[in-house]
Amino acid sequence: KAGVTQTPRYLIKTRGQQVTLSCSPISGHRSVSWYQQTPGQGLQFLFEYFSETQRNKGNFPGRFSGRQFSNSRSEMNVSTLELGDSALYLCASSLNKGRKRTDTQYFGPGTRLTVL
Amino acid sequence: GDSVTQMEGPVTLSEEAFLTINCTYTATGYPSLFWYVQYPGEGLQLLLKATKADDKGSNKGFEATYRKETTSFHLEKGSVQVSDSAVYFCALSDGETSGSRLTFGEGTQLTVNP
Repeated sequence: KAGVTQTPRYLIKTRGQQVTLSCSPISGHRSVSWYQQTPGQGLQFLFEYFSETQRNKGNFPGRFSGRQFSNSRSEMNVSTLELGDSALYLCASSLNKGRKRTDTQYFGPGTRLTVL
Repeated sequence: GDSVTQMEGPVTLSEEAFLTINCTYTATGYPSLFWYVQYPGEGLQLLLKATKADDKGSNKGFEATYRKETTSFHLEKGSVQVSDSAVYFCALSDGETSGSRLTFGEGTQLTVNP
């Protein structure tokens, strides 16, 4: 079974631009979560989507948004990029069958975003 | 809120040495606990997990026991190899209060020398 895939793997943008990152979960997984990893702040939760609905949200400004499609694929968007948005953005998927909400999350390789 | 604290790194060991990476947590509910590993240039890989008190997770020679009384989940390996060099993250997921959200520790860089 294929793992979580993320595209693109690397991205370079300039301040003020916007960017869209894509994540394809493991087949059959319905929950997709996004995390930001930086040397200074470590791994921080951005948001989680389940059945096309945002179920949980971290403490990030409104410039960070996401969505999930009917096939469980997810995208996240960052508008008006700032230098501090340079990071590795990781996507994770989990089965989340039924009411059990602590299923193991499986991570993709990440998208490395550099803002100049 | 939930939090995870890992021992400060980096940790440098010789091959075949014993490894311990300490992890303690604070959570309001009854979390599941995880260890993830990150190799250079890659995403996170699940190493092991435990979902309730006294559970022991194990994989590839690594072990960790969920200790509710000390709120700890220390990672151990009896004999490390050069290939174990990576960054290790302790994490928790408190399904009752925060759904699938993972709260991570700071990460511990492990370097194993031949």
